[in-house]
Amino acid sequence: AQSVSQHNHHVILSEAASLELGCNYSYGGTVNLFWYVQYPGQHLQLLLKYFSGDPLVKGIKGFEAEFIKSKFSFNLRKPSVQWSDTAEYFCAVNAMPASGTYKYIFGTGTRLKVLA
Amino acid sequence: EAGVTQFPSHSVIEKGQTVTLRCDPISGHDNLYWYRRVMGKEIKFLLHFVKESKQDESGMPNNRFLAERTGGTYSTLKVQPAELEDSGVYFCASSQDGPMSSYNEQFFGPGTRLTVL
Repeated sequence: AQSVSQHNHHVILSEAASLELGCNYSYGGTVNLFWYVQYPGQHLQLLLKYFSGDPLVKGIKGFEAEFIKSKFSFNLRKPSVQWSDTAEYFCAVNAMPASGTYKYIFGTGTRLKVLA
Repeated sequence: EAGVTQFPSHSVIEKGQTVTLRCDPISGHDNLYWYRRVMGKEIKFLLHFVKESKQDESGMPNNRFLAERTGGTYSTLKVQPAELEDSGVYFCASSQDGPMSSYNEQFFGPGTRLTVL
């Protein structure tokens, strides 16, 4: 079935550790890719997006993601996490399933806890 | 510029009652979307409006859910009667471009957390 998979549901890291959150999708054709973050008590915010061009995308707060088309992946990375990065992270793919119109398809989310 | 707003932020109701959620999109955005996240699961598409017209309601779970967007501005999502499995967070989003464009970027509201007891 067509889907977006986030393999890590819960991640716990110490401050200054490096972060990589996986995201794989199974849609063919043109896709646009997003990472959203939801900090505790706040709404979904866009971290970064990929539409076209350089597959290495820089986002806010030091995050980046790499689109690897051959692997259908869009992993999120940050070299050194901070306590304030504690949040839930969602990968989303804007793809065209059978319905014929583009739809946002979300992964299940990854809860990141950063220990001070 | 104001973002997408949703009201209420939280709602706790009993099974069988009715609840109405409201979403105000970003001014000028013709496209409005409703999503729902049941605990621990992915955020799922419910439906999409272009102005006041429902373009895609393929994600609506059943006929207890009714969405409206009179006048093409704000939207309401009514659940009547509510069941336990309706509990979750209901997100609204809006966009300028519609879903025929892959460049459709949606802006999300804070969500309404609905708890049905």
